[in-house]
Order: sequence, then structure tokens, then C-alpha cells
Amino acid sequence: QKEVEQNSGPLSVPEGAIASLNCTYSDRGSQSFFWYRQYSGKSPELIMSIYSNGDKEDGRFTAQLNKASQYVSLLIRDSQPSDSATYLCAVNPGSSNTGKLIFGQGTTLQVKP
Amino acid sequence: ETGVTQTPRHLVMGMTNKKSLKCEQHLGHNAMYWYKQSAKKPLELMFVYSLEERVENNSVPSRFSPECPNSSHLFLHLHTLQPEDSALYLCASSHGDYYNEQFFGPGTRLTVL
Repeated sequence: QKEVEQNSGPLSVPEGAIASLNCTYSDRGSQSFFWYRQYSGKSPELIMSIYSNGDKEDGRFTAQLNKASQYVSLLIRDSQPSDSATYLCAVNPGSSNTGKLIFGQGTTLQVKP
Repeated sequence: ETGVTQTPRHLVMGMTNKKSLKCEQHLGHNAMYWYKQSAKKPLELMFVYSLEERVENNSVPSRFSPECPNSSHLFLHLHTLQPEDSALYLCASSHGDYYNEQFFGPGTRLTVL
């Protein structure tokens, strides 16, 4: 089992719709969770971090964490073509005291005008 | 700009060459990281430095040699690389604390001929 799993996609949504990106992780002791956005040819950009169960909202982005189900998701409301990118889920495993992050392979999002 | 810079941005080298990648962070962070990103694969953590001490080495071949002279600078020395080492090499930094938000530099696109 992969440590951090994401559906590689592509996930295609129409402009203005809600995009839902999902991620599961295997280490039950994981403490912190991150979503990065990566445009083609660019480096990952941190867009959301979440540390406790529940929802965290920042503008059009909402991160949701459910530690019991080992599941973290990212919702993008009012999706725009500029949101088209690969979204990487990253987890700081509980077994680590070095600050390492384990990344999923990413989900490619396509927002169609 | 994330406050993390990398040079060079592109590098082409032969298998017998020796080259170095440089990373500098202007964020006052204590931890620095090297990642490798190959096509169709998740980001792979290579090395972690915390307060200038290497705290993690993810079974990276010895042809990759990191150096962290101070908390703001990180190098990756390369020698006798293989074509399969061609990838995007990313540097990141963080406070190294519980929240551990990592910020990435723009990366070095390495091609080994």
C-alpha cells in the first residue's frame, strides 16, 4: 500500500463548478497535512495546510481532514481555468521527527471554460 | 517568489562531469530539503538537514552528495551520474516544527547525457 494515495486523474470539471480532490494516507499517526498546486513546468506551491479534524477554508479553497478515516480532501469552489494544474497531497508522518513530507503522485485537474 | 532560490535553473551534463546545485533560502528557516521529481512518479525526498545537520538520507546513491554549510544554504554535488538521474531537483525549506510548512524553490531541470 502506498503511503499517500491520490487518483491521478485527470479530473475534468466545467468552469464555475466545485472540484473535489481526495487523498488517503496509511500512517495513522500522521500529524500535519498539506495541499500543493503545481503548474506544468513549475515547482509545487503550498495552498493549504490542515492539522486537526474538520474543515479549513481559505477563499475558494476548503481542506477537509478526517483522521479516523485517514482521509484528507481539497474542495475548490467556483473553479476557474487558471486552477488547471496538478494538486499534490503531502503528509508529515507520525513516525518522523525530521519534518519529512510524503507526497502522493498528484491529481491533474482540468477546468474547462 | 517563495523566498527560496535555486541555481542553475537548467543543467545538462555528461556522465563523467561533476557539477553542483545550489539552494538559498531567505525565510529564516531551520530545515532544508532536497527532493527529486521524475515524470510519472511522486516527489521523492532525498535529504533533510535540520540546523545544518543531516538528519535523513533516503537511500540516495553516493553519486549525490549534499552539503549544508549554514542554515540558509544547501548544495547538492553531482558526480558520475546516470541518464536515469535526469529529473527536476527541488529544494525546500521550513521551520522544521510541528506545522512544517515547506516552501519550494523553482527547481533545477537536470539532463544527464
